[in-house]
Amino acid sequence: SAVISQKPSRDICQRGTSLTIQCQVDSQVTMMFWYRQQPGQSLTLIATANQGSEATYESGFVIDKFPISRPNLTFSTLTVSNMSPEDSSIYLCSARTGGMYEQYFGPGTRLTVT
Amino acid sequence: QKEVEQNSGPLSVPEGAIASLNCTYSDRGSQSFFWYRQYSGKSPELIMFIYSNGDKEDGRFTAQLNKASQYVSLLIRDSQPSDSATYLCAAPYSSNTGKLIFGQGTTLQVKP
Repeated sequence: SAVISQKPSRDICQRGTSLTIQCQVDSQVTMMFWYRQQPGQSLTLIATANQGSEATYESGFVIDKFPISRPNLTFSTLTVSNMSPEDSSIYLCSARTGGMYEQYFGPGTRLTVT
Repeated sequence: QKEVEQNSGPLSVPEGAIASLNCTYSDRGSQSFFWYRQYSGKSPELIMFIYSNGDKEDGRFTAQLNKASQYVSLLIRDSQPSDSATYLCAAPYSSNTGKLIFGQGTTLQVKP
């Protein structure tokens, strides 16, 4: 498994501003992902963070709104841009550590937009 | 559209009983399945995964996979109040993307 940390753990932001969430893994991993989890809902994949290239976004998510960086094999950031109250959610980073499909999650970032 | 489906519950069992959580999936090609436990306000924690037909046991947890019927289940023996959580079933979206599809999750309540 892997130990994954995220910063910040929570934040309250004003409408129209942006927030960058950081995800750090304690070892090199093959794949990193960003998810959103709205209250009472399951996980929705935002994008796959690709090391050294542009992220791969899922339907309904675009780079202008959710720019992602992954400069190396242990670190990624997700920015939530031009926020609105609808962006209030928990944002989760996950990592796939080996040849199989297991993913391990960070503790999440709880975002509230006012 | 590949899907993973779970009954949202809540599933309520008395302490010491066996809790049975079920998950069905649409893609006959799925080869592996994962069970995550998520406590309220926390992130999902991987507790079991299974790659082959049959049963896999780990302590009080048993995962069962039936590929012919396209369902996977998680049994929790001697349920404890600390097992009260939402249990998420997941399957790979495809063999080369590493992505997982998650079910909606089943909320388990273990009553003392």
